[in-house]
Amino acid sequence: DVKVTQSSRYLVKRTGEKVFLECVQDMDHENMFWYRQDPGLGLRLIYFSYDVKMKEKGDIPEGYSVSREKKERFSLILESASTNQTSMYLCASRADPYNEQFFGPGTRLTVL
Amino acid sequence: AQSVSQHNHHVILSEAASLELGCNYSYGGTVNLFWYVQYPGQHLQLLLKYFSGDPLVKGIKGFEAEFIKSKFSFNLRKPSVQWSDTAEYFCAVNTGFQKLVFGTGTRLLVSP
Repeated sequence: DVKVTQSSRYLVKRTGEKVFLECVQDMDHENMFWYRQDPGLGLRLIYFSYDVKMKEKGDIPEGYSVSREKKERFSLILESASTNQTSMYLCASRADPYNEQFFGPGTRLTVL
Repeated sequence: AQSVSQHNHHVILSEAASLELGCNYSYGGTVNLFWYVQYPGQHLQLLLKYFSGDPLVKGIKGFEAEFIKSKFSFNLRKPSVQWSDTAEYFCAVNTGFQKLVFGTGTRLLVSP
């Protein structure tokens, strides 16, 4: 079974802090994704990576950056957290564009 | 830009009722289509997917979906819902580019 793990289930940070969200997948998948999930808005893509050291902006990249130094790990960085970044963050991976994505359990981030 | 519409935001059914959740997308080319489900407190998981072939696709837990190309639709159905089907359901479309586009989700509540 594919396993996608995220470093924290719940996280509370203060405005202005730098926040790191980590995601690891164990199936040697090429593609990895970061989404945020908000009620009534569904899943919105922040960034994705189709290979190591490669990244592409998604639909809402402002205020975020990413890092993919190793194939199995994809990190989301909030350089200076703001209250409007309070959300559920989901990581996903897939083997290639023609297969389904596998999701992690999510990190519920609260920025105070 | 590609978009996915789920017209029903909230659906309430009694057990044994039939279910149909609508999904329409805006893209004229070849598509891959997915339905994902998120049970309370759990991560997103794949219900079913369509890539090619028979437009009637069967998934897990008795769900099925029908791809109607002329209507740009991929509606999800289940003949008889159970209390355990209470969840949020997301339609998603891959147009052959790197990313999936998700609908805003439909929250289904099944009363016993």
